[in-house]
Amino acid sequence: GAVVSQHPSWVICKSGTSVKIECRSLDFQATTMFWYRQFPKQSLMLMATSNEGSKATYEQGVEKDKFLINHASLTLSTLTVTSAHPEDSSFYICSASRGTGGETQYFGPGTRLLVL
Amino acid sequence: QKEVEQNSGPLSVPEGAIASLNCTYSDRVSQSFFWYRQYSGKSPELIMSIYSNGDKEDGRFTAQLNKASQYVSLLIRDSQPSDSATYLCAVIKNTGGFKTIFGAGTRLFVKA
Repeated sequence: GAVVSQHPSWVICKSGTSVKIECRSLDFQATTMFWYRQFPKQSLMLMATSNEGSKATYEQGVEKDKFLINHASLTLSTLTVTSAHPEDSSFYICSASRGTGGETQYFGPGTRLLVL
Repeated sequence: QKEVEQNSGPLSVPEGAIASLNCTYSDRVSQSFFWYRQYSGKSPELIMSIYSNGDKEDGRFTAQLNKASQYVSLLIRDSQPSDSATYLCAVIKNTGGFKTIFGAGTRLFVKA
């Protein structure tokens, strides 16, 4: 199998606080992990790509100082939304790939963030 | 022109019919192709992958790839109401590094 988990599944926080989302590959080693954001009724938007042990590559328009990504091991990547604001409220989804990005991506169940 | 294009739909088919979902891509160096299904409020789940020209069948699903026409499709036979979802086409290309491009998705509605 290829199971990816995310924690938490949903989070509500006050404006100005930071939120950390974890993404874990449970039964395989994920060389590459991806972070996506999806607003209601819109398509997936890739935020960044991370490889274990190296800095994440952010897509154009995504603030790297606001969305901190750490891929500390082959099974764990974290996304921290710093100083969250209501406009950051969204569905955050991670995916993991065994290789360097040319293989199938397996998605986590997503984390729904609501910033009040 | 978007790199991966899908008709947004909704595509409505009656239960038991064949649903045909289409996807075109712009970059000829694209090498791997995937179909994902996404239910409302959920994350995408992989349905099929296809890498070479022709058809690939898995149960009620058939993926078709035509690299010359830069076209990939998904056929769903004997459509069920539970197939109602958004179907995402994804294409991987390698231009000095792998990059996955997702289409915006086609909403499918199967009427009981």
